[in-house]
Amino acid sequence: EAGVTQSPTHLIKTRGQQVTLRCSPISGHTSVYWYQQALGLGLQFLLWYDEGEERNRGNFPPRFSGRQFPNYSSELNVNALELEDSALYLCASSLFVEAFFGQGTRLTVV
Amino acid sequence: DQQVKQNSPSLSVQEGRISILNCDYTNSMFDYFLWYKKYPAEGPTFLISISSIKDKNEDGRFTVFLNKSAKHLSLHIVPSQPGDSAVYFCAASWGITGGGNKLTFGTGTQLKVEL
Repeated sequence: EAGVTQSPTHLIKTRGQQVTLRCSPISGHTSVYWYQQALGLGLQFLLWYDEGEERNRGNFPPRFSGRQFPNYSSELNVNALELEDSALYLCASSLFVEAFFGQGTRLTVV
Repeated sequence: DQQVKQNSPSLSVQEGRISILNCDYTNSMFDYFLWYKKYPAEGPTFLISISSIKDKNEDGRFTVFLNKSAKHLSLHIVPSQPGDSAVYFCAASWGITGGGNKLTFGTGTQLKVEL
């Protein structure tokens, strides 16, 4: 069974640009979560999607947004990139409480 | 406002000995707790979980203990192996019908198992 897959694995963007990260959940999982792990910090909750709707949002500015598609895959969009957005972005999916993570997308903003 | 805290950023243990990783939480609404292991440049891997109705859960070398009155949980790894060297994250949830199914993570403890 395929796990959670994320693309791309690495990305370099310039300050002010926009970026879209993609996530495919484990088959049968309806919930998708996005987390940010900045260097030296823990995992910070960004967004939770379930059945196509945003269910909860972490303490991040509105330029962080996303959506979930009918096939439960998800996108995370970040507008007006700032240097401090450089981080590992992790997607996870779950059916109940245990969340299973993808490998992450390493975003570097220069 | 760090609701889940892992006060030890690092821990070093000899191979074969017990590793004890600790986690404290402040939100009494949390009712489900999880431990994840993370290697560099990889996503976290789910290890073991415990519901608030239990005080212990075992899975092979891994045992999680929950002390609700102290709002404290710990992960015991016995015996520790070099492959256990990773960052361990404690996470908590208050369930699907409460504040949401999102996990609140601690800042992690880097475990190093030495030969």
